[in-house]
Amino acid sequence: QQQVKQSPQSLIVQKGGISIINCAYENTAFDYFPWYQQFPGKGPALLIAIRPDVSEKKEGRFTISFNKSAKQFSLHIMDSQPGDSATYFCAASSTTSGTYKYIFGTGTRLKVLA
Amino acid sequence: DVKVTQSSRYLVKRTGEKVFLECVQDMDHENMFWYRQDPGLGLRLIYFSYDVKMKEKGDIPEGYSVSREKKERFSLILESASTNQTSMYLCASSLFAGGNSPLHFGNGTRLTVT
Repeated sequence: QQQVKQSPQSLIVQKGGISIINCAYENTAFDYFPWYQQFPGKGPALLIAIRPDVSEKKEGRFTISFNKSAKQFSLHIMDSQPGDSATYFCAASSTTSGTYKYIFGTGTRLKVLA
Repeated sequence: DVKVTQSSRYLVKRTGEKVFLECVQDMDHENMFWYRQDPGLGLRLIYFSYDVKMKEKGDIPEGYSVSREKKERFSLILESASTNQTSMYLCASSLFAGGNSPLHFGNGTRLTVT
């Protein structure tokens, strides 16, 4: 019940295309869903995050869509660029459980072709 | 900007050696974390600390211990390194308690145990 399932494992997209990465969770206590972006040789960095009281959050070309009933959320990268090539991790946490833990997905390696 | 510095980028150790991985953060963050990153497994929490001299086990603490003598420094210790501990180790910090405090990661230490 603590797992966050992420798909696909890898993704190749043409420049200008839309990249979509999906995540699903089971634990209904999760109420905070961030996405982290990791470039080669670097640590992950927070990209964008959403709470379940909204169905969508957009920051520039990056959008999180959230489906509370299905317990799924996804990252959409519009107009994908070669500079977006990185590994993306979804995560989930509970802000009310008193713990400090994030549960991470297994990661998606995105390659955007020029 | 928060800086999380891991002392070594690459380490090669022999089976049975005691290994110390050091991490320092410069933003007075309360919480510090050690994660392990393996392909296809994502980021898995080894240990975390929410205060000096305090520590909590994460999801995979076996074979590891930690030390936090000062607020800015969090060390991961492999008491007797084994080949299955070959991995990328990531240190992170967060400002405050609670499951929505962003994690700030270091660039990782790639450990090889031969």
